Amino acid sequence: GENVEQHPSTLSVQEGDSAVIKCTYSDSASNYFPWYKQELGKGPQLIIDIRSNVGEKKDQRIAVTLNKTAKHFSLHITETQPEDSAVYFCAARAGGFKTIFGAGTRLFVKA
Amino acid sequence: DAGVIQSPRHEVTEMGQEVTLRCKPISGHDYLFWYRQTMMRGLELLIYFNNNVPIDDSGMPEDRFSAKMPNASFSTLKIQPSEPRDSAVYFCASSRTGVLADTQYFGPGTRLTVL
Repeated sequence: GENVEQHPSTLSVQEGDSAVIKCTYSDSASNYFPWYKQELGKGPQLIIDIRSNVGEKKDQRIAVTLNKTAKHFSLHITETQPEDSAVYFCAARAGGFKTIFGAGTRLFVKA
Repeated sequence: DAGVIQSPRHEVTEMGQEVTLRCKPISGHDYLFWYRQTMMRGLELLIYFNNNVPIDDSGMPEDRFSAKMPNASFSTLKIQPSEPRDSAVYFCASSRTGVLADTQYFGPGTRLTVL
């Protein structure tokens, strides 16, 4: 069935460094790829997304890249700050509302 | 806007009891989603509604689970009878339209523990 794999499961970086989270998806019909940030005790919050007709998208310190041929997409956070510490989820959707989520990456930013 | 509102935030019950989780979507949003989050299975879509009508309930795990949306501002997810393996965080989310990239706004979740 459809699957989204996410790596790493845990990531620890020093404040100011960059963080990269990678995902692969199995359903070649997937055409929308959102990323969510979940803080403790809260629901996931959309932070950036990308459609299949775009290779890269940037929003301030956050960027997402997509390689449709390889079925890979990645989240890049530059100049990390302690408030970036959270669990990040990648997801893939192939039309409709069936969104498949990755298992999550717990990011720790050390001050 | 207050965002998606869920109640209760925490629920502890005993096996066999009925559990009802509640959700108030963002006003004006036509789509409502129920998700379940567990360590083992991650985030899973259980069911979603469009204009109060259930569209896809293929993610509902068993007949013990049921969901209703009697009006545009209220939905319930019921588990009867509850079992320990139902312990999870249940999220409700809503979106304004059915456009592919329309943002789903999640509520704070209900943490359910079934003893």
